[in-house]
Amino acid sequence: GAGVSQSPSNKVTEKGKDVELRCDPISGHTALYWYRQSLGQGLEFLIYFQGNSAPDKSGLPSDRFSAERTGGSVSTLTIQRTQQEDSAVYLCASSLAQRGSTDTQYFGPGTRLTVL
Amino acid sequence: GESVGLHLPTLSVQEGDNSIINCAYSNSASDYFIWYKQESGKGPQFIIDIRSNMDKRQGQRVTVLLNKTVKHLSLQIAATQPGDSAVYFCAEIGNNDMRFGAGTRLTVKP
Repeated sequence: GAGVSQSPSNKVTEKGKDVELRCDPISGHTALYWYRQSLGQGLEFLIYFQGNSAPDKSGLPSDRFSAERTGGSVSTLTIQRTQQEDSAVYLCASSLAQRGSTDTQYFGPGTRLTVL
Repeated sequence: GESVGLHLPTLSVQEGDNSIINCAYSNSASDYFIWYKQESGKGPQFIIDIRSNMDKRQGQRVTVLLNKTVKHLSLQIAATQPGDSAVYFCAEIGNNDMRFGAGTRLTVKP
């Protein structure tokens, strides 16, 4: 596609429910990132996928959070037993090259998650 | 990532004036820097980048200045327009790591 796409754009859920957020990166981009952005705050790194390598999960805040990337393309971020503090905008980004290079990350529009 | 609290620094300018947005980065080994613009309800959008072997780079109406001595980055927007209203934040890249600043909210008054 022309850019990174994410779905759904908005998700409202009840506390304790599981949610799945989807990211379609730019075709050909080997690197994929998930970030969380709480109101008025900067981007918080969650997880990084690079090609077929094991993902860097060091940013996941708890074991309720998990992500996978199938076929080196689409990624799904899953939050189990959601809590109110999980409410945030979840952003996905992709880039051609690996993290730490000069290659720019291109961001999707984000999924706004609200946990009631 | 960094967290600086619930309230972003804000900058309010008159339409047509120049804007300067500042960013203090943390890692002296960072060698690549990006400015992003994030409009309300949208994902961050790349504006301009600069490598550490440069101290200035110009784009269309935007200029990025890098001062490695004091680890400071600035974004200058010339003739600010209402469409420039957004949150602007910097990113520093180096040592296989990327960090984002919390951002500055720019409001342009007509």
